[in-house]
Amino acid sequence: DTAVSQTPKYLVTQMGNDKSIKCEQNLGHDTMYWYKQDSKKFLKIMFSYNNKELIINETVPNRFSPKSPDKAHLNLHINSLELGDSAVYFCASSHGTGGAFFGQGTRLTVV
Amino acid sequence: AQRVTQPEKLLSVFKGAPVELKCNYSYSGSPELFWYVQYSRQRLQLLLRHISRESIKGFTADLNKGETSFHLKKPFAQEEDSAMYYCALSGSSGNTPLVFGKGTRLSVIA
Repeated sequence: DTAVSQTPKYLVTQMGNDKSIKCEQNLGHDTMYWYKQDSKKFLKIMFSYNNKELIINETVPNRFSPKSPDKAHLNLHINSLELGDSAVYFCASSHGTGGAFFGQGTRLTVV
Repeated sequence: AQRVTQPEKLLSVFKGAPVELKCNYSYSGSPELFWYVQYSRQRLQLLLRHISRESIKGFTADLNKGETSFHLKKPFAQEEDSAMYYCALSGSSGNTPLVFGKGTRLSVIA
């Protein structure tokens, strides 16, 4: 059983398009996150979502918007994609202080 | 401010040699410290947590509050240990996002 799953695994799209990445966790965790891993393999938090409270990293452009239909899902919607958005996006979830569990990542390529 | 520093971008060792991946942190309070491993094009996997004081795949890490360090060690490196290793911290209150170091790529040479 996959604990944290993301779809799609690969996403290639043109500049200016709008796209979504879906994430689901079956661990019963109450907090979910989106991280971005850039071409230098640096990992940065984009959003965390806990009990309908959204915490935003201020450096994230407002073209990125997380949507959480329920506690087990946190989707990422991106408007007007730019070349610089190309990266691997990881969803994660956690409960308490035990660390986060990550999805397999979505490799986004904007052309 | 929260910060995690991994001074080595790349570490190459021979198979069977000891490994030490360095991690220093800055945090005003009592953080939770973790090591994550990412094998080529795979997800990040939790390797160690300082609170559990466990040994996974032969790796150990001790939290040194005086030196604000959480170095990852293994006495004898294996080829399958080649991967990207990230040190991370979060607040002790729980459900706070992880702050990651920039990662160290470990390459074990046969």
